[in-house]
Amino acid sequence: QSALTQPASVSGSPGQSITISCTGTSSDVGGYNYVSWYQQHPGKAPKLIIYDVSNRPSGVSNRFSGSKSGHTASLTISGLQPEDEADYYCSSYGSHTVVLFGGGTKLTVL
Amino acid sequence: QVQLLESGPGLVKPSETLSLTCSFSGGSISDSYWTWIRQPAGKGLEWIGRLYTTGNTGYNPSLKSRVTMSLDTSKNEFSLKLKSVTAADTAVYYCARQEGGWYPRWFDPWGQGTLVTVSS
Repeated sequence: QSALTQPASVSGSPGQSITISCTGTSSDVGGYNYVSWYQQHPGKAPKLIIYDVSNRPSGVSNRFSGSKSGHTASLTISGLQPEDEADYYCSSYGSHTVVLFGGGTKLTVL
Repeated sequence: QVQLLESGPGLVKPSETLSLTCSFSGGSISDSYWTWIRQPAGKGLEWIGRLYTTGNTGYNPSLKSRVTMSLDTSKNEFSLKLKSVTAADTAVYYCARQEGGWYPRWFDPWGQGTLVTVSS
C-alpha cells in the first residue's frame, strides 16, 4: 500500500481557517474510522491532535477538528494562530500494511 | 504521566544491526501495544512495527525480513533490532504507545526520538 495522500503545503493568515486533506482507499481511510492526525514542530516529536477521525484528546484546542467523507479524511484548523505553523500528518489503519501515514503537509501561517 | 525515552547508538555501520531501546515510565507496560516509527530527515513518518505485551508482533511488510522487536517487562523497556542496515535506514526513530486495542487507532504518547545515522 502507498502512503496516504496529503497536499505538500497549505497556508493561511492569522484568524483564518484551513483544511488539510488525507486521501486513501477503501482498504484504509475509507474502510475504517481509525484516522488520526499529528502536529509536528521542527525538531520535535509528533503530537496527537485528532483520533478516530474526529475526536480531540484532552488539552487539544477546539480549533482543531476532523472529519471524513468516503476515502478522504480532513483536518480543519480554525482561527489560525502563529503557533499552528508546523507539519501535519494523517495516519490510518490499513488492512494490508496495518499502519499508513500521509506524506505530511507543511502549514505556513502568513 | 506516561513518558517514553529512546536510547541507543547514534551511528551504525552499513550491513550491521541497529539496536534501540525504549524506556517507559509513569505507568504499566503491560496490556498495551508498543510501536516504533521512523522519519528520515525532511521526510514523512514510516511505521516499522508493533509489539504487544504478550510478545505478539506485527511488522511493516517492507521491513519485516529485517526487524525484530522484543519486550522486557521487568525493566519496563521494549527494543528494536533492524539488521543489514543501509544509508536508507538513516532516520530519527521514535517509540510510541499504540492506543485503541488491536487496531492501531492512534499513537500517544511518543518518545522524543533518537537520530540514527548509517555510515562507515
